Amino acid sequence: DIVMTQTPLTSPVTLGQPASISCRSSQSLVDSEGNTHLSWLQQRPGQPPRLLIYRISKRFSGVPDRFSGSGVGTDFTLKISRVEAEDVGVYYCMQAKQFPRTFGQGTKVEIK
Amino acid sequence: QVQLVQSGAEVKKPGASVKVSCKASGYSFTSYDINWVRQATGQGLEWMGWMNPNSGNTGYAQKFQGRVTITRNTSISTAYMELSSLRSEDTAVYYCAKGTRTFDPWGQGTLVTVSS
Repeated sequence: DIVMTQTPLTSPVTLGQPASISCRSSQSLVDSEGNTHLSWLQQRPGQPPRLLIYRISKRFSGVPDRFSGSGVGTDFTLKISRVEAEDVGVYYCMQAKQFPRTFGQGTKVEIK
Repeated sequence: QVQLVQSGAEVKKPGASVKVSCKASGYSFTSYDINWVRQATGQGLEWMGWMNPNSGNTGYAQKFQGRVTITRNTSISTAYMELSSLRSEDTAVYYCAKGTRTFDPWGQGTLVTVSS
């Protein structure tokens, strides 16, 4: 199984300041067609997860542009340019290169 | 709009089985895979398995092999996840999610409590 490792596990952030979450996979997430199957999900308190970013950097419909994804191969990053109160929650990276799909442990973004 | 609506909370005794439903609307049910993911209280996400609603083909995480069965009824655009031989560690919120490599949307979740 591909192991997904996120850092940090908790990120205290001041409103209006940036936040950054890292995700590392135990093996490359690039498939035979050159696509990298790494997504980011947001889970607000008491809510189901929601897709934010797919294929490393593609923002899903309706996702604010303060969210951005980057990375290559096995190292990926989710950035929030200016954290807003509604961004509080847990963020997960997920690989979909192979079965079983696996998730990072989650990073809790909280307001200082 | 595209939506997945799950069945309500369940309380089961150890050793019993539970069957959770996931009703799809707003899109062609047979055109997209359905996945099942669970989350114990305060814990992370754990993928359990997937199904192609068109063919009925399924795949399961090794951890759940032999205990989980995913099925569907295409006439009512509904997928089901049945977990048997329940134990206390199976207490969790169970989610369905549409998609093959990107999961969206997710159902609202179904709390399954296993307690004697």
